[in-house]
Amino acid sequence: GQNIDQPTEMTATEGAIVQINCTYQTSGFNGLFWYQQHAGEAPTFLSYNVLDGLEEKGRFSSFLSRSKGYSYLLLKELQMKDSASYLCAVVDSNYQLIWGAGTKLIIKP
Amino acid sequence: DTAVSQTPKYLVTQMGNDKSIKCEQNLGHDTMYWYKQDSKKFLKIMFSYNNKELIINETVPNRFSPKSPDKAHLNLHINSLELGDSAVYFCASSQDITETSETQYFGPGTRLLVL
Repeated sequence: GQNIDQPTEMTATEGAIVQINCTYQTSGFNGLFWYQQHAGEAPTFLSYNVLDGLEEKGRFSSFLSRSKGYSYLLLKELQMKDSASYLCAVVDSNYQLIWGAGTKLIIKP
Repeated sequence: DTAVSQTPKYLVTQMGNDKSIKCEQNLGHDTMYWYKQDSKKFLKIMFSYNNKELIINETVPNRFSPKSPDKAHLNLHINSLELGDSAVYFCASSQDITETSETQYFGPGTRLLVL
């Protein structure tokens, strides 16, 4: 079967750094997305990785290791507005997005 | 100039009723999707349409039927609503489903509560 695993919830302090991990087992791999979803709102795009390595975009970076079936999202200089759920999603061989349940990130002052 | 819009935003109805949720995108995208997000926050794909052709149809009950009058619209019709249908339904669109880097843009969601 296809499976995406993420921690259910994480807590971090404003101004700190947090890493949200995602491991996946899918039928084929055509890329991995990270989305941010604030409570009561729609998911919004953060990043896309298809090759191994680190992609940096401002305070957010995303890393991929295809051989390990592993990705992480790194958030630096955390702000209160970063409190949200972070969804990992993998594009499988049928070009279907397989979604994780999301990691709820709580930022404390 | 909302990119992906859905109506209604909230829908409260009785078991057994039939209801529809509308979705429109003004991005000129070729592919549209319907997702169900339950209380555990899993996003589950229900349907996708590419150029008015159904190309993914997950194992959802046949009480759910997508209808696409044109490329910019994908409506979701639900017959004989059940308590378990209560969830948030998201519409999304992307340029081309076969381009794996294509970002999906989501509508604001429709919160359905079946009593």
